[in-house]
Amino acid sequence: NAGVTQTPKFRILKIGQSMTLQCTQDMNHNYMYWYRQDPGMGLKLIYYSVGAGITDKGEVPNGYNVSRSTTEDFPLRLELAAPSQTSVYFCASKNDGTYVLSVANVLTFGAGSRLTVL
Amino acid sequence: QKEVEQNSGPLSVPEGAIASLNCTYSDRGSQSFFWYRQYSGKSPELIMFIYSNGDKEDGRFTAQLNKASQYVSLLIRDSQPSDSATYLCAVNPQYGNKLVFGAGTILRVKS
Repeated sequence: NAGVTQTPKFRILKIGQSMTLQCTQDMNHNYMYWYRQDPGMGLKLIYYSVGAGITDKGEVPNGYNVSRSTTEDFPLRLELAAPSQTSVYFCASKNDGTYVLSVANVLTFGAGSRLTVL
Repeated sequence: QKEVEQNSGPLSVPEGAIASLNCTYSDRGSQSFFWYRQYSGKSPELIMFIYSNGDKEDGRFTAQLNKASQYVSLLIRDSQPSDSATYLCAVNPQYGNKLVFGAGTILRVKS
């Protein structure tokens, strides 16, 4: 059981380039999330999805796009990379829409993807 | 006002002492509250969650919730050097299914 798998782990981009961060989960979770974490900061929500075909913006969506064609996959697309997008990106998933009351229904995080834009 | 606030620290405690981590939140209707631990370069991992007023204990960890004061805390008893990490408080607001995270408190346990 791999959980949440993110690729790549590290990437350096030049300003203006585009790339896709991949996220796959094998737990049949409906809810998936993309967060970014800047140094010394908490996690900021970029986009989330409540199921295949349904996505919505989070707190910091500008400069990113997502799609959810399957339950398993939730890729994050960066268009026209900017230095402000240098961050660590975490994908996470959970079973359903309630945050109560089971430990099985809390967020499972991937290992993270460290992106540098130069 | 930030939605979830934490003192960034670092909080330094000697080995064996009690570490007390605090968090306040702005959404009075928030339903559930989470503490995550994050080691440097790693992803967050859940320590505890709490949703009722009062205390919840799990081993060396105790989460305390006071909804009237909009305050949640985490106590770590018998602190160990391996507890040195950043502790993230997260809150599920009244509406939506999106956890809101605080910036985290750095804890350093000195042996």
